[in-house]
Amino acid sequence: AQSVTQPDIHITVSEGASLELRCNYSYGATPYLFWYVQSPGQGLQLLLKYFSGDTLVQGIKGFEAEFKRSQSSFNLRKPSVHWSDAAEYFCAVGGNSGYALNFGKGTSLLVTP
Amino acid sequence: GAVVSQHPSWVICKSGTSVKIECRSLDFQATTMFWYRQFPKQSLMLMATSNEGSKATYEQGVEKDKFLINHASLTLSTLTVTSAHPEDSSFYICSARDPGRLTTEAFFGQGTRLTVV
Repeated sequence: AQSVTQPDIHITVSEGASLELRCNYSYGATPYLFWYVQSPGQGLQLLLKYFSGDTLVQGIKGFEAEFKRSQSSFNLRKPSVHWSDAAEYFCAVGGNSGYALNFGKGTSLLVTP
Repeated sequence: GAVVSQHPSWVICKSGTSVKIECRSLDFQATTMFWYRQFPKQSLMLMATSNEGSKATYEQGVEKDKFLINHASLTLSTLTVTSAHPEDSSFYICSARDPGRLTTEAFFGQGTRLTVV
């Protein structure tokens, strides 16, 4: 069975500081991995995705994530956080296009001045 | 990129009435769409998988008679909350993945905030 664990429910960082959001997955085959961001009352926006190839993937808004098969992890990083990054972040895993994504519980990011 | 449009973005209805939410894929034909429900400050819970031309597949615990799904065309799936009650108040989000691309992300609608009074 596939599952996603985001260990941190809330994270607070200072503006300009670096950020790492953790994601661990369980999946029976090679996973397709995603990070989405959600602002309050909005839908989900894709930040980045991993299907294969280079394990370090670059996304929008300066985000990157690294796929580590040995650790079953796909952590999201940003070197310098902006106040506008405050939002809910979801890690997701899925198979091919016929299947829904399975989401983690999300991490709420708060950015302080 | 592919776009999924969801309508309405919010709706208030009286208890006992029914509400229909539409989900459209704007630039690809979605043979499969997915309906999620999200409670405040929680994750997305998959409710059902909507299959064009056939019955939807519901997740365990989701009442198929309350949450009617119709996927009559390759670009439109609808979710009807029947005989709505206050406990049905939630944020509903639809999603679709482009079947023409084996490896693809899910595209999400803007979500519908349902409030039952």
